[in-house]
Amino acid sequence: AQSVTQPDIHITVSEGASLELRCNYSYGATPYLFWYVQSPGQGLQLLLKYFSGDTLVQGIKGFEAEFKRSQSSFNLRKPSVHWSDAAEYFCAVVPSGGYQKVTFGTGTKLQVIP
Amino acid sequence: DVKVTQSSRYLVKRTGEKVFLECVQDMDHENMFWYRQDPGLGLRLIYFSYDVKMKEKGDIPEGYSVSREKKERFSLILESASTNQTSMYLCASSLSGRANTGELFFGEGSRLTVL
Repeated sequence: AQSVTQPDIHITVSEGASLELRCNYSYGATPYLFWYVQSPGQGLQLLLKYFSGDTLVQGIKGFEAEFKRSQSSFNLRKPSVHWSDAAEYFCAVVPSGGYQKVTFGTGTKLQVIP
Repeated sequence: DVKVTQSSRYLVKRTGEKVFLECVQDMDHENMFWYRQDPGLGLRLIYFSYDVKMKEKGDIPEGYSVSREKKERFSLILESASTNQTSMYLCASSLSGRANTGELFFGEGSRLTVL
């Protein structure tokens, strides 16, 4: 069965510092990969997605993610964090080539300090 | 702009009460989902529906039922609420068939407290 691991439950960064949130997946083939963001008290919003092609994908709010097949990873990055980026971030996978269930990671809560 | 609307943002119910959570989407999506979100557990799928009057169990369907009488509306029902159903409930929708990439569109969530 497919699984998604976000090893960091909570991360604190200073405003203006760079950010990397880790995501590893376990699946036989390359799945479709997603990052969602959830602001406090809100639903989830799609940040970016990877289906195929260029392994570096750009998303909204200045985020990017890189797919590394050899490491089964899809880490989310941002070069300079803003206070408004404080939220919870979820990595998700879906098997490619046909719809099946979306599997979510357990989330990483980002705190941004001045 | 696409929209998934959950009728109640916050609810407080008593143990044993019947609870209805309503979700409406205006994107003409075929697929609709109910997730439960708890700290440290991420999102867990309760039920989903791929068409009107169709439903499939997710990972944690026990204690829940669903109804989909119209394409745009998907309801989650707690027949007899219990304290362990205190949680955030998220509704989502997606396209189906070849247009479906697995991308989900979420509502803002309904935070349910059962006393």
